[in-house]
Amino acid sequence: AQSVTQLGSHVSVSEGALVLLRCNYSSSVPPYLFWYVQYPNQGLQLLLKYTTGATLVKGINGFEAEFKKSETSFHLTKPSAHMSDAAEYFCAVSVGNQFYFGTGTSLTVIP
Amino acid sequence: DTGVSQDPRHKITKRGQNVTFRCDPISEHNRLYWYRQTLGQGPEFLTYFQNEAQLEKSRLLSDRFSAERPKGSFSTLEIQRTEQGDSAMYLCASSQKTGAYGYTFGSGTRLTVV
Repeated sequence: AQSVTQLGSHVSVSEGALVLLRCNYSSSVPPYLFWYVQYPNQGLQLLLKYTTGATLVKGINGFEAEFKKSETSFHLTKPSAHMSDAAEYFCAVSVGNQFYFGTGTSLTVIP
Repeated sequence: DTGVSQDPRHKITKRGQNVTFRCDPISEHNRLYWYRQTLGQGPEFLTYFQNEAQLEKSRLLSDRFSAERPKGSFSTLEIQRTEQGDSAMYLCASSQKTGAYGYTFGSGTRLTVV
């Protein structure tokens, strides 16, 4: 069975501080991994994805994530938070024709 | 390419009424998905089309729900005899080929059943 666990439903950081959003997955087959961002009353926007190859992937808006197979993790980071980063972030795993999403982490950026 | 379009953006309906939502995917995407998202949760898979064929349906898709993609282009999701528990954001997404490409999501239709 496939599942995604996001540790911490709410994360607060100061503007300019490091952002770290945690994601662990379980999958019976090698997964494709994704991070999406959702702003209020909007759909989901793809931040970055890991399919094969380099385990450190860079996405839009300065975000990056590292696939660690031994830890079954795909944590999202950004060196310096910006006010515009405040949103809901979803980790997802793709297996076959379906995506499985985590329950999301709400990021608050404190000025 | 204008992305994935969903209509309407918001729908308020009385319990027991039928509602229909429309999704227009990215034109070259042959795969189309419907998801439901309730407050504080991640999107949950409802159903998936490849071209006009509905290939997978979730157990969440009760008999009151039906989805179509008649010509392999736009899709409709109908909910009959709506219940308050149907209140949610309904998201449509499309993709090329396999899930490795990721999905492109629409902005969703927020349904409120009163």
